[in-house]
Amino acid sequence: NAGVTQTPKFQVLKTGQSMTLQCAQDMNHEYMSWYRQDPGMGLRLIHYSVGAGITDQGEVPNGYNVSRSTTEDFPLRLLSAAPSQTSVYFCASSFLPTGRDSPLHFGNGTRLTVT
Amino acid sequence: GQQLNQSPQSMFIQEGEDVSMNCTSSSIFNTWLWYKQDPGEGPVLLIALYKAGELTSNGRLTAQFGITRKDSFLNISASIPSDVGIYFCAGGGTGRRALTFGSGTRLQVQP
Repeated sequence: NAGVTQTPKFQVLKTGQSMTLQCAQDMNHEYMSWYRQDPGMGLRLIHYSVGAGITDQGEVPNGYNVSRSTTEDFPLRLLSAAPSQTSVYFCASSFLPTGRDSPLHFGNGTRLTVT
Repeated sequence: GQQLNQSPQSMFIQEGEDVSMNCTSSSIFNTWLWYKQDPGEGPVLLIALYKAGELTSNGRLTAQFGITRKDSFLNISASIPSDVGIYFCAGGGTGRRALTFGSGTRLQVQP
């Protein structure tokens, strides 16, 4: 019962470095999404995908890229890290974006620090 | 973007006390969800509400979908130490491609 798996759990980057946060789910969910969590600001949507080959921007997409080449994987790329991207990142998936009986399943997060 | 106003931001209570938190929005939602986040983990769904006026319980938790579809509340009865965490409300529904989350209520329970 893996569910949603995120790697790495922790990461420290220097300003300007690039990296990819990995997310994989084994529940055959069509919908996948990335959120960032900052103190006092809840969960803010970065990017989402309603199926392989389809991605769209969320509330705070700047500085992040995504792709969805398979149903299982939805990596999040930081092309040039900035201190403002220090946050906890969560990947989540479900059968439908917000539908009945289709709860959003979250991974355990990646804690990113940019110095 | 759309916002959900969740209150209170934090609560510090004694074990055994009841807790109430709520979310309000200027927009209508067709779905209201409540999640709990334990330290170091991702949020986990507690209760889902799909109909205006719906009142749903899950053990010591009770949540209601407001009749205006612009608000929801969550009650926890007889709190215990393992209730500690951050509680998030989220709104969604037909036509929406993502959930909108509140800013969270951080709950601490004193044994």
